[in-house]
Amino acid sequence: AQSVTQLDSQVPVFEEAPVELRCNYSSSVSVYLFWYVQYPNQGLQLLLKYLSGSTLVESINGFEAEFNKSQTSFHLRKPSVHISDTAEYFCAVSRSGGSYIPTFGRGTSLIVHP
Amino acid sequence: DAGITQSPRHKVTETGTPVTLRCHQTENHRYMYWYRQDPGHGLRLIHYSYGVKDTDKGEVSDGYSVSRSKTEDFLLTLESATSSQTSVYFCAISESSSGSNEQFFGPGTRLTVL
Repeated sequence: AQSVTQLDSQVPVFEEAPVELRCNYSSSVSVYLFWYVQYPNQGLQLLLKYLSGSTLVESINGFEAEFNKSQTSFHLRKPSVHISDTAEYFCAVSRSGGSYIPTFGRGTSLIVHP
Repeated sequence: DAGITQSPRHKVTETGTPVTLRCHQTENHRYMYWYRQDPGHGLRLIHYSYGVKDTDKGEVSDGYSVSRSKTEDFLLTLESATSSQTSVYFCAISESSSGSNEQFFGPGTRLTVL
């Protein structure tokens, strides 16, 4: 079994400030890790993913996440946020090599203030 | 964007009535999923399908049934709707051959049970 914990339900931040959204997981096997973003009144869309290789993964809009196996974490960071980054962010984990049933965290609401 | 549509997008119904939600994909992906999203609970898996006529239960399957008679369609049925089933329902798809377990989500259906 696997589980995901998103430590913050809501993160308020001012525009152009850095932000970190925290995600910890537990699993007894190797995993794939994902961050999804949900803008208001929309479905989720993939932001970035870690499958293997480099532990630092980046998205096209400036977000990055680092897989830390020893701390079982996959925190999401951005050095300077925009108003348009206001959204719900979900961390997810799935077992590598076969399971297609991911486990999602409860989500973190990022609120960017002007 | 992945070709996933959900219908209806909004529905208001009364307790005790049957309701069917439809998910349609044009990607020919093998896996299809139904989730519900509620404040404080994130995404919870209701049922999923790993092929035509092959379905299985998720963590919150009570009160729901599904059917998949064609690759492209995955139906979610509430046999007798209750107020606790008021929620936003999301369909998702994924493809085993991609190896990454990445999911693509539909736009959601907002269901209100009075």
